[in-house]
Amino acid sequence: SQKIEQNSEALNIQEGKTATLTCNYTNYSPAYLQWYRQDPGRGPVFLLLIRENEKEKRKERLKVTFDTTLKQSLFHITASQPADSATYLCALDYGNNRLAFGKGNQVVVIP
Amino acid sequence: ETGVTQTPRHLVMGMTNKKSLKCEQHLGHNAMYWYKQSAKKPLELMFVYNFKEQTENNSVPSRFSPECPNSSHLFLHLHTLQPEDSALYLCASSHALRGPGNQPQHFGDGTRLSIL
Repeated sequence: SQKIEQNSEALNIQEGKTATLTCNYTNYSPAYLQWYRQDPGRGPVFLLLIRENEKEKRKERLKVTFDTTLKQSLFHITASQPADSATYLCALDYGNNRLAFGKGNQVVVIP
Repeated sequence: ETGVTQTPRHLVMGMTNKKSLKCEQHLGHNAMYWYKQSAKKPLELMFVYNFKEQTENNSVPSRFSPECPNSSHLFLHLHTLQPEDSALYLCASSHALRGPGNQPQHFGDGTRLSIL
């Protein structure tokens, strides 16, 4: 069966350090992978999209990698700030702009 | 302001009630989506509309009935719901396309639904 796995344990990280989140998937062959941020009581907000033929994508302090051989994406927040505290969702395309989401990984940045 | 507005933000209803959730987008998109988000579970895609036509029904029970009168508005009509239907219902929109999902989706803040 198809699975998208994100770490269920919250990531507690000191301000200024780099947070790294993992998204692993099985039985999918996505052409695109997206990352979203969700704050409590709010809807997800789109952050980054990476194509299967791209190794890495950057946006300000965010970086995403996509390894279709390992079936894995890594999401990095460099120089983390308390305002980065949120839940981060990985989403895989499975055609016609349909997205399958992981459960999300909570990040807590400690001042 | 997300560009996607959902009303009401909270809804409590009995199992025999009929109610509707509303979603409106001002982003010029032609695709709209309903998702269900339950505690400890990932977002579940329920319905997809492209240019007002339903293109996806992800095995959703018939007690949920979507309606898309135009590309800017999406409704979810609710009837005879069960306690397990209590969840956050999220609406999203994007540019429509046919093929791989290279369009970001813009989400509203959801309707928190509680079934008594």
